Amino acid sequence: DSGVTQTPKHLITATGQRVTLRCSPRSGDLSVYWYQQSLDQGLQFLIQYYNGEERAKGNILERFSAQQFPDLHSELNLSSLELGDSALYFCASSPGGGGPVGETQYFGPGTRLLVL
Amino acid sequence: QQPVQSPQAVILREGEDAVINCSSSKALYSVHWYRQKHGEAPVFLMILLKGGEQKGHEKISASFNEKKQQSSLYLTASQLSYSGTYFCGTAGNKLTFGGGTRVLVKP
Repeated sequence: DSGVTQTPKHLITATGQRVTLRCSPRSGDLSVYWYQQSLDQGLQFLIQYYNGEERAKGNILERFSAQQFPDLHSELNLSSLELGDSALYFCASSPGGGGPVGETQYFGPGTRLLVL
Repeated sequence: QQPVQSPQAVILREGEDAVINCSSSKALYSVHWYRQKHGEAPVFLMILLKGGEQKGHEKISASFNEKKQQSSLYLTASQLSYSGTYFCGTAGNKLTFGGGTRVLVKP
């Protein structure tokens, strides 16, 4: 158990809908990262928040947005869902901001999203 | 840019050794290694820092060649528990993961 929690565990929805995925980082961690992992694919970095501010952005679609709240939990919002958005979404946390060297990231169990 | 991992997959017998390589076209500050078992979250194995020493986890060790911008992960005397997909991540302002190497250790 990494100490990172994600809800819900599974989500089934229809195309065109909007969903919100939630992540609570490990106690004391200030950074939250979001990743997308499609079937048999690698981990695609979406976005990082550090202490409430966006720190780094990856291949995140405009239909997707995220935020980190004062209590440091984070939400990833996915809208106008398409079939291709079906994937496992992981959140990870780390103590600091990452920086050029990076830090150990602790991954949550993931949310499996199925868009029908 | 995503680092390139090789091989894409490897099948081992328990007790055998294997090497997984990770190459980047960009200068590396560090290389991170994670293992993901099927249906589970990736789990951190180690970080190798530029100018740093080789670090190990169980009988898994790694090296970092800064000049070649490469890292290698060594699975020594593999155990059944080593099965999974191994990802390397290269750090710049954000961690970028390679495509993964699937490892299957058979009895």
